Amino acid sequence: AQTVTQSQPEMSVQEAETVTLSCTYDTSESDYYLFWYKQPPSRQMILVIRQEAYKQQNATENRFSVNFQKAAKSFSLKISDSQLGDAAMYFCAYRRGGGATNKLIFGTGTLLAVQP
Amino acid sequence: DAGVIQSPRHEVTEMGQEVTLRCKPISGHNSLFWYRQTMMRGLELLIYFNNNVPIDDSGMPEDRFSAKMPNASFSTLKIQPSEPRDSAVYFCASSFKALYGYTFGSGTRLTVV
Repeated sequence: AQTVTQSQPEMSVQEAETVTLSCTYDTSESDYYLFWYKQPPSRQMILVIRQEAYKQQNATENRFSVNFQKAAKSFSLKISDSQLGDAAMYFCAYRRGGGATNKLIFGTGTLLAVQP
Repeated sequence: DAGVIQSPRHEVTEMGQEVTLRCKPISGHNSLFWYRQTMMRGLELLIYFNNNVPIDDSGMPEDRFSAKMPNASFSTLKIQPSEPRDSAVYFCASSFKALYGYTFGSGTRLTVV
């Protein structure tokens, strides 16, 4: 069975600094997708970034980028120039490819605090 | 698009009462998922549907929980009778292709007293 592990329950970063959140996963599949979701205090789950496993290039969305190491099964999220609005719970998630019915498997989350 | 719409946003009920949570997925999305989130257990998948058909309900905790999707634009999650340990945030999410992940609703915070 696929699993997703986030080993950092909490992280803290100074405003304008860079922080990296870790995520590892376990799968025997070759076709899959990886995601980072953000959940601010409003509790809305917001998709931050996604990565297709078949793509070697790391995904980037503005200040958010990933370091995807397929062989190591690692998928970390880097937030550059951190802002107060980045404070939230961040969830890493895995989804097997092949169809919309495949469910997302979430990690336990990392709570990010941003210090002014 | 208005996104995934859940109602109510908050629900407070007494133990033993029936609770019905509602969800309207994004038009054109053919998969719908119900999750429960608590501090202790994190995000738990309860049940999901594809083309209105339940695919996997192994996450439904007890027979007190039931879910339906009578058509492509509406789903309900019912708890009868409710218990204090059912207190949680319940999310509905819909999806079109695996590539795009899910779009989540804003959740229903359920408090059973």
